[in-house]
Amino acid sequence: DIQMTQSPSSLSASVRDRVTITCRASQSISSYLNWYQRKPGKAPKLLIYAASSLQSGVPSRFSGSGSGTDFTLTISSLQPEDFATYYCQQSFSTPPTFGQGTKLEIK
Amino acid sequence: QVTLKESGPVLVKPTETLTLTCTVSGFSLSNARMGVSWIRQPPGKALECLAHIFSNDEKSYTTSLKSRLTISKDTSKSQVVLTMTNMDPVDTATYYCARIAVTAMATRRGHFDYWGQGTLVTVSS
Repeated sequence: DIQMTQSPSSLSASVRDRVTITCRASQSISSYLNWYQRKPGKAPKLLIYAASSLQSGVPSRFSGSGSGTDFTLTISSLQPEDFATYYCQQSFSTPPTFGQGTKLEIK
Repeated sequence: QVTLKESGPVLVKPTETLTLTCTVSGFSLSNARMGVSWIRQPPGKALECLAHIFSNDEKSYTTSLKSRLTISKDTSKSQVVLTMTNMDPVDTATYYCARIAVTAMATRRGHFDYWGQGTLVTVSS
């Protein structure tokens, strides 16, 4: 199985900060990388698919980049509703695998 | 509006069989560009994909649990069912079903564009 490693595992930031979360795959996954946001008690929400495509309805402050093994999720200006846990997931091979998550907390 | 809703027992005993049902609405399980996956997350651990199924009944299971899992669908009822045999306390987790939006038909690669709220299953005697 392809291993996905996120960093950092937790992050404290303030509203209007620019935040970057990284995800590394144990082998090349081309651009088959997706990002999700999860808030407590809620269903995970797709933010970015295919490394850089913004899911419909997701604010443009979210962006993704990367290919091969290294990927980033950037939030350009944090809003109060963005404090959540973020996961990357590869869809290059079966089974799909997730990173361990990055918890974004208010500073 | 696309929705997925998981249902099943909240508590099972060790060695019992777990049966979970995902009832979907807003799309058809016969849609060739869609699939449904079961995903779980034990407390404090990572998300883990367990199984998925597509419109043509193509199925896949995670290798480590393959012998214990069965996924099936009833298109007329808009339901996907997962059974997991021989439950153990380590299987305590929140179980989600999620829709797979297929972006590459030849390889079935895609992303999970809609998720259910999840159901917490506890395994304990």
